[in-house]
Amino acid sequence: KQEVTQIPAALSVPEGENLVLNCSFTDSAIYNLQWFRQDPGKGLTSLLLIQSSQREQTSGRLNASLDKSSGRSTLYIAASQPGDSATYLCAVPGGSTLGRLYFGRGTQLTVWP
Amino acid sequence: NAGVTQTPKFQVLKTGQSMTLQCAQDMNHEYMSWYRQDPGMGLRLIHYSVGAGITDQGEVPNGYNVSRSTTEDFPLRLLSAAPSQTSVYFCASSYDGGSYNSPLHFGNGTRLTVT
Repeated sequence: KQEVTQIPAALSVPEGENLVLNCSFTDSAIYNLQWFRQDPGKGLTSLLLIQSSQREQTSGRLNASLDKSSGRSTLYIAASQPGDSATYLCAVPGGSTLGRLYFGRGTQLTVWP
Repeated sequence: NAGVTQTPKFQVLKTGQSMTLQCAQDMNHEYMSWYRQDPGMGLRLIHYSVGAGITDQGEVPNGYNVSRSTTEDFPLRLLSAAPSQTSVYFCASSYDGGSYNSPLHFGNGTRLTVT
């Protein structure tokens, strides 16, 4: 069974800092990895999807990297803003089984002004 | 563009009662799924479907039932509610199940309390 771990569990930073969120997974036979954002009381919103053949994916101030061989991904947030405060989750497929995604428990980010 | 719509948003049940959580998507996605989110446990897959008429079990299927008669709808039935089913339930859909190139789209959740 795929196991997904996210470190740190919580992070509190002042506005303007660049920060890195970490995600690791045990089964490297994945097709892709997704990063999501969850605001309190809301569902998850997809931020970035990195295909297994890619090493990086960028969207605005967000950059996600993927190293399949080591079972790791990082989400880099540049110039953080209070509006970035949310929980960030990563998810990977469970091996070759279509439809099964395994989620980490998330990193709760607080950016204070 | 509604995306994934879940109803109700909140529900309180008594132990032993049954109910159906509704989920509908208007993006013509083949893949739909149900997750529950619990503090300290993260998101866990309950059931999923890769197309109309096809369903399969996830990690925690006991106590839940699903069917998929149309592409748009994927209801989740609680057969006899138990306090252990108190949770936030999320429905999600995608074009290809998230296993290839299609991101997963989530509804806003149903918060269920079983007393």
